[in-house]
Amino acid sequence: GQQLNQSPQSMFIQEGEDVSMNCTSSSIFNTWLWYKQDPGEGPVLLIALYKAGELTSNGRLTAQFGITRKDSFLNISASIPSDVGIYFCGPNTGNQFYFGTGTSLTVIP
Amino acid sequence: SQTIHQWPATLVQPVGSPLSLECTVEGTSNPNLYWYRQAAGRGLQLLFYSVGIGQISSEVPQNLSASRPQDRQFILSSKKLLLSDSGFYLCAWRGQGWEKLFFGSGTQLSVL
Repeated sequence: GQQLNQSPQSMFIQEGEDVSMNCTSSSIFNTWLWYKQDPGEGPVLLIALYKAGELTSNGRLTAQFGITRKDSFLNISASIPSDVGIYFCGPNTGNQFYFGTGTSLTVIP
Repeated sequence: SQTIHQWPATLVQPVGSPLSLECTVEGTSNPNLYWYRQAAGRGLQLLFYSVGIGQISSEVPQNLSASRPQDRQFILSSKKLLLSDSGFYLCAWRGQGWEKLFFGSGTQLSVL
């Protein structure tokens, strides 16, 4: 099966700090998606990346699809308390969507 | 607009009892449908996906089964639940030609 490595596993940061997390894979993917999950809820799509090297922003979030199509990073600038949650990378190929193990983010006010 | 409904939100079942979780999608036709399980709040494991009525692909051998009796309905079932079946179950859909997955609100299943 697909091997996805997402890091870091957890982060504790002060409000206002920037955050960076990444995912790497042993396989090439067509699309790379980033999701955020609040406790007890389903994941919500944040950013979708379709082209190698693509850099996309959504407000304070910025994500890039690696040139090799095997990795991606997500940055959050100027974190706020509502950024708390678990962030998942979710690459896709064909009908199958895979997910990383998640990065748990805690923002300390 | 498209919406996905998943119920119940919470379920407590004894070991050995049957299970039926239902998921429906509105506002779209012929979606791809998915069931995921999330244990201990981390990691999403793909259980089943379906590209059409009656078409089910199983990713991991489980004590579970899935069915798609209608275009926008996806059901997750078990004849006899095990303790290890506890977890957070998520239904998701994808529109034809879309490279994005949209999730329901999940069902927290506790098997006691």
